[in-house]
Amino acid sequence: QQPVQSPQAVILREGEDAVINCSSSKALYSVHWYRQKHGEAPVFLMILLKGGEQKGHEKISASFNEKKQQSSLYLTASQLSYSGTYFCGTGNYGGSQGNLIFGKGTKLSVKP
Amino acid sequence: EAQVTQNPRYLITVTGKKLTVTCSQNMNHEYMSWYRQDPGLGLRQIYYSMNVEVTDKGDVPEGYKVSRKEKRNFPLILESPSPNQTSLYFCASSLGGKTEAFFGQGTRLTVV
Repeated sequence: QQPVQSPQAVILREGEDAVINCSSSKALYSVHWYRQKHGEAPVFLMILLKGGEQKGHEKISASFNEKKQQSSLYLTASQLSYSGTYFCGTGNYGGSQGNLIFGKGTKLSVKP
Repeated sequence: EAQVTQNPRYLITVTGKKLTVTCSQNMNHEYMSWYRQDPGLGLRQIYYSMNVEVTDKGDVPEGYKVSRKEKRNFPLILESPSPNQTSLYFCASSLGGKTEAFFGQGTRLTVV
C-alpha cells in the first residue's frame, strides 16, 4: 500500500520554504526521499531510520516520527534547481528489508 | 562507475509481441526492483528480488514476469504486452532498506 504524500503540488518563489509530508498506514523502519526531474531517474536525497539515524545530503533536512508513521522533508531557501517531483519511499516492518514502496509524489515548482 | 543499466531506453511494440527489458547493476547489490511510473500514480512496484532465485510480487505484477539467475541481472519480461502496459519503467538496486536505492535511466515503453 502506497504511502500518502501531501501536498500533491506546490509552487514557490526562490528563497521560500516548503514542507512535504509522507504518511503510512503501516509501521515503518525506514523512510527514503528522492527527487526526480522530468523524464529522468529519481535521485537519492535522504534516508531516515528508526532510532533517529539519518543519511543524506547536508542541505536537505527531514524528520521521522516513528509513532505516527510520518516523515516530513524540509526545503529551505529554495532554489530553481529544487524544482522536480519528490517521492517518499517506505520500508515496512513485515516486508522484505529492501522493498521500498513509493508514494504518488509531490510536484515542486520554484519560480524566479 | 557504480550504475544500473537498463536497455532499451525506448521501445515501441505491438500488442502480443513478447519483449524483455534488461537491467544490470555493477555494485553487487542483493536487492533489485522494477517499478512503473504513470502520470499521477507515482512509482508502483511490479516485482522485487532479495537475492538470486528469490523474487516476490509487488503491487502491480499482472502481465509481467521476472527472473534472477545472476546477482547482477534482473530482466523484466512481458509475455503478451497490452496497451495498458504503456508506461515508463525503472529498475532499482540497493544493499538493503537502510541504504540508498540506485535507479536505472528508465525505459519508455509504448504498446500499440
